[in-house]
Amino acid sequence: DVKVTQSSRYLVKRTGEKVFLECVQDMDHENMFWYRQDPGLGLRLIYFSYDVKMKEKGDIPEGYSVSREKKERFSLILESASTNQTSMYLCASSLLVQGARGAKNIQYFGAGTRLSVL
Amino acid sequence: AQSVTQLDSHVSVSEGTPVLLRCNYSSSYSPSLFWYVQHPNKGLQLLLKYTSAATLVKGINGFEAEFKKSETSFHLTKPSAHMSDAAEYFCAVTGGFKTIFGAGTRLFVKA
Repeated sequence: DVKVTQSSRYLVKRTGEKVFLECVQDMDHENMFWYRQDPGLGLRLIYFSYDVKMKEKGDIPEGYSVSREKKERFSLILESASTNQTSMYLCASSLLVQGARGAKNIQYFGAGTRLSVL
Repeated sequence: AQSVTQLDSHVSVSEGTPVLLRCNYSSSYSPSLFWYVQHPNKGLQLLLKYTSAATLVKGINGFEAEFKKSETSFHLTKPSAHMSDAAEYFCAVTGGFKTIFGAGTRLFVKA
């Protein structure tokens, strides 16, 4: 079974603090993702990475950065946390498989980190 | 461009009755479609996936979904709801690296 582990289930931080959210996967997946989840908005992609040291902006990258120094680890960084970044953060990993009828990209999720910024 | 619309934000059923969670998608090419379930304070768990094989897809916990290209739909069904099915369900479409998620449907199951 694929295992995606997020280092913290709950975090409470103060406005202006630098925050690190860590994610580790054990299946040698190439792709890793960070989403935030807010009620009524579903999951919104913040950043993703398709290889070590490679990163791409998702739909809502403002206020965030990422780091992928090793294949199994993908970190989300809030440079200066703000109250509007209070949310549930979900990490996922996937393996992109090219088939005859297109690509298959199944994502596996961690349990999530609920971040509160006060 | 790809998009997903979950037609109901909340669905309430009685235990033992059928479940129908509706999802419409938009994709400019042959999509891969997914349903995920999220229980409170947990991550998303894959229920089932459609990747251009059989149009009726069976998943875990008795759920199934039917891909209907003519209707651009991928509705999730279960013949008989169980209390443990109460959760939030997400429909998703993928193409390449990115996956687009619907806003979610919260399923309530009444005893």
